[in-house]
Order: sequence, then structure tokens, then C-alpha cells
Amino acid sequence: SQKIEQNSEALNIQEGKTATLTCNYTNYSPAYLQWYRQDPGRGPVFLLLIRENEKEKRKERLKVTFDTTLKQSLFHITASQPADSATYLCALEDNYGQNFVFGPGTRLSVLP
Amino acid sequence: EAGVVQSPRYKIIEKKQPVAFWCNPISGHNTLYWYLQNLGQGPELLIRYENEEAVDDSQLPKDRFSAERLKGVDSTLKIQPAELGDSAVYLCASSWGTSTGELFFGEGSRLTVL
Repeated sequence: SQKIEQNSEALNIQEGKTATLTCNYTNYSPAYLQWYRQDPGRGPVFLLLIRENEKEKRKERLKVTFDTTLKQSLFHITASQPADSATYLCALEDNYGQNFVFGPGTRLSVLP
Repeated sequence: EAGVVQSPRYKIIEKKQPVAFWCNPISGHNTLYWYLQNLGQGPELLIRYENEEAVDDSQLPKDRFSAERLKGVDSTLKIQPAELGDSAVYLCASSWGTSTGELFFGEGSRLTVL
């Protein structure tokens, strides 16, 4: 069956460290993968999109990788700050190329 | 530019009552989505519109849920009658219309069914 898994439900790291979040998928062959940030009580906000032929994408302190062989995307936040505390969702293109399917999210807490 | 607007933000009803949620997408966005999000989970697609046409409603429980997007702009999602298990956040999103584009979400409508 199709599945999207994100590492541990919650991740705590110390301010200034690099946070690494994982997104693993099964029985999908996405050409695109997105990452969103969601704060409590708010809707998700788009962060980055990466295509299957792009190994890595960067935006300021954010870096995303996409390994179609491992069926995995990694999301890194360098020099993390307490303001980075939020839930991060990965979303990948479904097998019909019509919609994005969301993972369950990882709740990141950056401790001062 | 205004973002995606949803109302109401919160709604508490008793089971078997009807409820409706409204969404106004970003101006010019052809594609509109309704998602359901349960606590601790990611959004799950209910229905996707391209202009006024529902092009994917395969996950919409049609016995009690209905949606419309008149004139290809605003949209309404209705539940009748509501059940306890419908308690969740209902998110509306819009995009420029390509499957690769970013989704712009509203703040959501939190439904509690008692």
C-alpha cells in the first residue's frame, strides 16, 4: 500500500544546531516533492519544491534533498532558532500527477 | 494581496446538525482544494476544483458531504448530517492550476461535533 512516513512525531534540538527531518515514501513515484511549515492553529505555508532531477535545493537556511532511489527526502534547517519551532509537512505528487499527498508531519521544537 | 479566506474559523454543533464552510481563494487561482486535517496528521484531500468543475472528488464522502464552486471563485463545503467523527479542521487551498505549483492555504475552519 502507499505510505508516507516522517521521522519521529516530534524532534527537539538545541538552538544553533542543524535540524534534519526525513520523509520516506512507499509505492509512489513522485516527480515533485514539497515541504510546508504549519504553526498551531494556522494553515500550512509552502517552503520549497524539489523536482526528481534535482538532488538538492536551498533557500536561505533551508536545504532539501531528494533521493528517488532511496525514496527519501531530507529537510535541513541550519543555525536553527526558536522561531523555527513548528510542524513540518512533506507532500509528494501522487501517482496520477494530479494532487499532492501529505505526510503526517514532524513537530520540531528548537530549545533556547 | 489577500490570501485564502475561510469562515467560520470555529464551529461547534451537535451531531446530526448541518454545517457549512466557505472559502474565497486568491484572485486568479483556477484550482481550489478542500482538505480535512485531523489532530496530529497531515491534510487529506476531499475535493479539487478546476474552475467550477470538480475534477477529483474521489475522497469526498458523498452520503453526507457536498461541495460547490459557483462561477469558479468562492466555494462552499457542506456536511449534513454531521457525525462525531467529522470533528477536524477543514482547510481550503488554492493554486495557479498546475499540479506542481505551491498550494496557498487558508487558516482553516475547526469543527467540533458534540
